[in-house]
Formats: sequence, structure tokens, C-alpha cells
Amino acid sequence: DAMVIQNPRYQVTQFGKPVTLSCSQTLNHNVMYWYQQKSSQAPKLLFHYYDKDFNNEADTPDNFQSRRPNTSFCFLDIRSPGLGDAAMYLCATSPSGVNNEQFFGPGTRLTVL
Amino acid sequence: AQKITQTQPGMFVQEKEAVTLDCTYDTSDPSYGLFWYKQPSSGEMIFLIYQGSYDQQNATEGRYSLNFQKARKSANLVISASQLGDSAMYFCAMRESRGNQFYFGTGTSLTVIP
Repeated sequence: DAMVIQNPRYQVTQFGKPVTLSCSQTLNHNVMYWYQQKSSQAPKLLFHYYDKDFNNEADTPDNFQSRRPNTSFCFLDIRSPGLGDAAMYLCATSPSGVNNEQFFGPGTRLTVL
Repeated sequence: AQKITQTQPGMFVQEKEAVTLDCTYDTSDPSYGLFWYKQPSSGEMIFLIYQGSYDQQNATEGRYSLNFQKARKSANLVISASQLGDSAMYFCAMRESRGNQFYFGTGTSLTVIP
């Protein structure tokens, strides 16, 4: 089945220790998104790619970086995780076009000790 | 201004009854799409239903329907014959023709009571 895959599902890191979350898709969608979601809140868009074009949200901290080496893969790098970065990180994909929904991965739950 | 507003933080509904979850939106783009997602406690985001700004008919998908009132800029989700498995967080989202962002509301937590 075509899908959005996120690895790992659960990630534990130490305060200040860099961590990378990965996302892959078999849907061949040209847009990929990274969201941060904290408990009982709406997903917060960190950045998205339209093909290779990177779009950073104005309020995304510099601590968060992303890479998209090809259509299928996208990575979220947190350079120096703080306690406030503990959250669920959701990857999503979509074809471009206003009538297309997002397809979400299962998320990675990040714990910062 | 908020692009998407969901004014009901929490809702309760009796099993087998219908429930309406409210969503209003704000955009100057004549072409946009409105989406509803369900997020159970497991965390996955599940797409439920879509309404396009030019659609004349209200969207329906099984027990889900969207009450689209364009002049009032509202896109309320109606769930008929509620089931216990409908207990979840529900998010309304909008996509404009310019850009690829999705704008999410703050969500409504729905609890179905047996």
C-alpha cells in the first residue's frame, strides 16, 4: 500500500544531543511537510518542500533544520533539543493543488531527557 | 486574523445521535479547499472529507457530511449516528490556491457517550 512512513515511532534523546527524524513516502507527492504537535494542540507547521523548494515558517526556531534529498525522503534535524521540543512530529505529503488532502505518517514521539 | 476558527474545545454526544462540529474560515482567495481530519488518541491524522470553494453541493462521505455555507464562511462537520469509535480530536483545515500550506483550527475534542 502506498503510504507515508516515519522512523522511528518513538525517539528518546538527551538535552542538547542532536537528533534526526525521517520520513519516506511511496505516494510520489511533490509536497512534503513537517509539523510539531504538542498535547491537545493543533499541528504546527515547521516547514514544507514543494519539490526541492524549501519553505520555512517564520516562527520555526533555527534549531530545526530539514533536508529533502529526493522525492521520497525528508528529514527533520533538531540540532540541540531542549525540553520544550518534546512533542509528536508529524510528516505529511500532498500533491500540489487546492483540492488535494494531506496524507499523514503515524508520527514520531520525541522525548527529551 | 485566524484563518480557521473552531470555537468548541470539547463536545459530548450520545451514541447513535448526530453531532455538528463548527468551523469558520477567513480567506480572500476565491479558490480554496476545506478539509476535516480526525485524530484518535493513537495520534494518527485521518482525512475525513473535503469541500471545494466552487462546489455547489455539500460534500458527503458515509456518516460524515459537510454543511458548507460560503456566504457565512462556515464549513461545519456533521457526524450522523455517532459511534464510540468517533471519540477523537477533530481538526478543520483550509488550503488556498496560493501556496501549499494547510491552515489548521485548534480542534474539537469529541466524546461519544454510550
